Amino acid sequence: NAGVTQTPKFRVLKTGQSMTLLCAQDMNHEYMYWYRQDPGMGLRLIHYSVGEGTTAKGEVPDGYNVSRLKKQNFLLGLESAAPSQTSVYFCASSSLAGLYNEQFFGPGTRLTVL
Amino acid sequence: AQSVSQHNHHVILSEAASLELGCNYSYGGTVNLFWYVQYPGQHLQLLLKYFSGDPLVKGIKGFEAEFIKSKFSFNLRKPSVQWSDTAEYFCAVIPSNDYKLSFGAGTTVTVRA
Repeated sequence: NAGVTQTPKFRVLKTGQSMTLLCAQDMNHEYMYWYRQDPGMGLRLIHYSVGEGTTAKGEVPDGYNVSRLKKQNFLLGLESAAPSQTSVYFCASSSLAGLYNEQFFGPGTRLTVL
Repeated sequence: AQSVSQHNHHVILSEAASLELGCNYSYGGTVNLFWYVQYPGQHLQLLLKYFSGDPLVKGIKGFEAEFIKSKFSFNLRKPSVQWSDTAEYFCAVIPSNDYKLSFGAGTTVTVRA
């Protein structure tokens, strides 16, 4: 099993450009999450999904959109990138919510917006 | 809103020293607790987790953590660190009826040979 994979690993954008980050998991997990990691702030939840076709806002959703058309994939989109979105983005998945929930993380995407 | 506090931003140790990282959370109900580690250039890996039962939890690489419910704490310990323990450590908490994992700001641990 590959677990959770993310593409691309690195990306540099200019302000105003758009891009999509892809997260894929092969563990048949229902729940998927997108986080951003910034120095001194830990990981903050951007959006999450509780199943195929569903999405919900997390702690810092502004400027991002997501889609979960297939159970194994969770896409994070930036329609008009801003320098404040320079960060490392992590995707995670879990089989359960609440009790006994353990999230498995992907390797991350390092995004720089100039 | 739930919050997770990690007391130390950066800890510098010598090899063989003991390590203790503090973590406190604000949620009053039943919670699940985790410590994740991120080695330089790598993604987050689970060190250990607490769901229920014995409040002293043993994880990988000689780490352990103690859940003290009355203090809302879940401190991480290792009796003798190695250079390879240099990493960033994150405490995370999730209420038993929620989807959202709340992370602390992280503690960078530097172990000097």
